[in-house]
Amino acid sequence: GAVVSQHPSRVICKSGTSVKIECRSLDFQATTMFWYRQFPKQSLMLMATSNEGSKATYEQGVEKDKFLINHASLTLSTLTVTSAHPEDSSFYICSARDHGRAGNTIYFGEGSWLTVV
Amino acid sequence: DAKTTQPPSMDCAEGRAANLPCNHSTISGNEYVYWYRQIHSQGPQYIIHGLKNNETNEMASLIITEDRKSSTLILPHATLRDTAVYYCIVRSFTDKLIFGTGTRLQVFP
Repeated sequence: GAVVSQHPSRVICKSGTSVKIECRSLDFQATTMFWYRQFPKQSLMLMATSNEGSKATYEQGVEKDKFLINHASLTLSTLTVTSAHPEDSSFYICSARDHGRAGNTIYFGEGSWLTVV
Repeated sequence: DAKTTQPPSMDCAEGRAANLPCNHSTISGNEYVYWYRQIHSQGPQYIIHGLKNNETNEMASLIITEDRKSSTLILPHATLRDTAVYYCIVRSFTDKLIFGTGTRLQVFP
């Protein structure tokens, strides 16, 4: 079964509004989670590293004031797209590693489709 | 993280083995080779990973060359549900995975 869960799976918002996407680790604690963005027919692009209890680390070219990341607990990271524009419409995916699971494996959430109209 | 090179697309007949190659010529000694796949509109799914030795699990086999500069993912009996984009990723000590363009595998009846 899924070990990383995202919510919502699909969201439509109006231009100029903000939208929050949640990423939860199920049955394990994740001090670090990662957020990716994927446009149609393209690969996943890493946006930022979400660190529990501290500031997120953003990849070059990603606006930290636009994509707010909060990792307030060991099982939850949130990505808030502020003042959304149609060009922010994309598939957003998070990942986390279950340190307690054999194999040193990183798992991904199901993804969240954001459409800004 | 080291870069990987994969063919953009491949076809495979249902029931046959699908062999997906990956070049990672700049891989370092402590870097693992990971394979994920992504079916349309879903998050990536873990398949298998390895360091030096060949690996096999219920989904696939991973063959890594002795010099570790390339590897091959083998799906022994491809089904239509294996149609997806397959990503080969070299991972260092961090949990940050950098995705390349992957191989789009089309399994046909």
